[in-house]
Amino acid sequence: GIQVEQSPPDLILQEGANSTLRCNFSDSVNNLQWFHQNPWGQLINLFYIPSGTKQNGRLSATTVATERYSLLYISSSQTTDSGVYFCAVDSGGATNKLIFGTGTLLAVQP
Amino acid sequence: NAGVTQTPKFRVLKTGQSMTLLCAQDMNHEYMYWYRQDPGMGLRLIHYSVGEGTTAKGEVPDGYNVSRLKKQNFLLGLESAAPSQTSVYFCASSYSALIRRGSYNEQFFGPGTRLTVL
Repeated sequence: GIQVEQSPPDLILQEGANSTLRCNFSDSVNNLQWFHQNPWGQLINLFYIPSGTKQNGRLSATTVATERYSLLYISSSQTTDSGVYFCAVDSGGATNKLIFGTGTLLAVQP
Repeated sequence: NAGVTQTPKFRVLKTGQSMTLLCAQDMNHEYMYWYRQDPGMGLRLIHYSVGEGTTAKGEVPDGYNVSRLKKQNFLLGLESAAPSQTSVYFCASSYSALIRRGSYNEQFFGPGTRLTVL
């Protein structure tokens, strides 16, 4: 089945710094989502981005489907950005099942 | 809209006990899913449903059963709980729509149920 790899596995930033998180996938995908799991365990939808670039405030994401990777950019990081960031892909078919990466653990220090 | 809700939020079971987790969504989504998340890992799919009255196995289905009697509800059952089923369980839902460049099927997740089996 499709493999999803995220890097780096963990990251420590000072408040105000920028970062780039990467998601590589082993096969073509229909869809790709980025999630933020906050320290309370809640999964928050960040982007639905099978291809192209999207921006939402300080966050933006780019997916290059032909090269099988996606990037999540966090600018001017804040302590509330801390948590785990997951990439998940849907490999197609009629079921829309998501395959998750193992996540990037981000800690933003004041 | 409440989105996707799950009950209960927390539960502690003894080995061999049974329980049912309830997932409800008010977005009229066709597709519903149950995932489990274990420490340091992403989510893994247990079972899913592509419509009322249908269910199918996911990646880690053993020890679980599901039912989708109503479109808005998806139940996950543990008939005889084992310590290996200690985990956080997430329910999700989505609809699938054909759009000009393919399909749209963004998944939305509930808040999770933290289950401990002693």
